Amino acid sequence: EAGVTQFPSHSVIEKGQTVTLRCDPISGHDNLYWYRRVMGKEIKFLLHFVKESKQDESGMPNNRFLAERTGGTYSTLKVQPAELEDSGVYFCASSQGGPRIAEQYFGPGTRLTVT
Amino acid sequence: GDSVTQMEGPVTLSEEAFLTINCTYTATGYPSLFWYVQYPGEGLQLLLKATKADDKGSNKGFEATYRKETTSFHLEKGSVQVSDSAVYFCALSDQDSGYSTLTFGKGTMLLVSP
Repeated sequence: EAGVTQFPSHSVIEKGQTVTLRCDPISGHDNLYWYRRVMGKEIKFLLHFVKESKQDESGMPNNRFLAERTGGTYSTLKVQPAELEDSGVYFCASSQGGPRIAEQYFGPGTRLTVT
Repeated sequence: GDSVTQMEGPVTLSEEAFLTINCTYTATGYPSLFWYVQYPGEGLQLLLKATKADDKGSNKGFEATYRKETTSFHLEKGSVQVSDSAVYFCALSDQDSGYSTLTFGKGTMLLVSP
């Protein structure tokens, strides 16, 4: 069974440009999470989908970030316009079952560099 | 809010040395505790977990005990190998909040030399 996949693995863009990150969760996993690690800091929660619905987006830094999960399958995270402080590694994770089942499976991450 | 504090790295050890990576937490509820590992070029992998006080999680020779009295979950291994070189993240999930969102520490890089 395929694990969580993310695309691209690395993106370098200029300040002001737009970037879209994609996450494909493990098939059948209803829960999908986005996290971000800024260099040297903690991995921080961004948002949580249950199927196609946003369950919790309290970690989204501002309205330049837009996440979608059409049809409850893959998810995209768009940053528009990108700022220097958006640089970091964006991780996606998925888990099955109800929200109280905590084991999450992570993708390899997308390294975003904004210059 | 919830938080996780783990020791700063990098931790540099020789092969077969004993490893301890300290982790303490603050949580409003009764959390589950985790150690995740990220090997070079790969995603985070769950290494071990513990869901209640005094539980010991173990995997691949690593172990950690959930200590409620000291709010700690220190990671230990008796004899490290070069292949253990990776970044280790301590994390918690406060299930009293109703969801399993993870709160992570900053990560500790472990470098093991032959």
